Amino acid sequence: DQQVKQNSPSLSVQEGRISILNCDYTNSMFDYFLWYKKYPAEGPTFLISISSIKDKNEDGRFTVFLNKSAKHLSLHIVPSQPGDSAVYFCAATPGTASKLTFGTGTRLQVTL
Amino acid sequence: NAGVTQTPKFRILKIGQSMTLQCTQDMNHNYMYWYRQDPGMGLKLIYYSVGAGITDKGEVPNGYNVSRSTTEDFPLRLELAAPSQTSVYFCASSYYGGSDSYDEQFFGPGTRLTVL
Repeated sequence: DQQVKQNSPSLSVQEGRISILNCDYTNSMFDYFLWYKKYPAEGPTFLISISSIKDKNEDGRFTVFLNKSAKHLSLHIVPSQPGDSAVYFCAATPGTASKLTFGTGTRLQVTL
Repeated sequence: NAGVTQTPKFRILKIGQSMTLQCTQDMNHNYMYWYRQDPGMGLKLIYYSVGAGITDKGEVPNGYNVSRSTTEDFPLRLELAAPSQTSVYFCASSYYGGSDSYDEQFFGPGTRLTVL
């Protein structure tokens, strides 16, 4: 039972354009949502998070939007840069001290 | 700060062999985790620990054991390696101080294990 789903395994975007990565979840107990970025042969690194009391959180070029009624969140990267090429994982947790449930990841390729 | 370190980086095991994956963090984090990532899949939690001497099972604990004798170290033990344990293993740590905000997990670089 996949509680966190990333239905697009890959995405290709031109440099300078917007990248939109999507994530859906089924567990209504999830309270915090995070995005991690992973380069090959490295561990995931934290990118941005959002609490369920918000519908948007912004950090520089990265913005995460949360639609609780649709159980959907998205990560926007504007403008996209070649260094953003990586696998992006969505993760969710029901509480601040709870375990993370990860999605399967979306591979983003930013082309010149 | 080295962050989270894992050894070895790569290992090939034969079926039935045993090994220990080492994980050390120098951030004084109280929480530590072990995940595995299979190709095309997300990370699945194997075991976690909320402090020295306290461990608990995650989503996929079968075939693994852990211990946490110190704050810094959280080794993962495979007793009888099976081909199904071929995966990339990530150790992570985080600090939980009882706050309402979520403190992100910091990951090590991973150990790529192949069981033949």
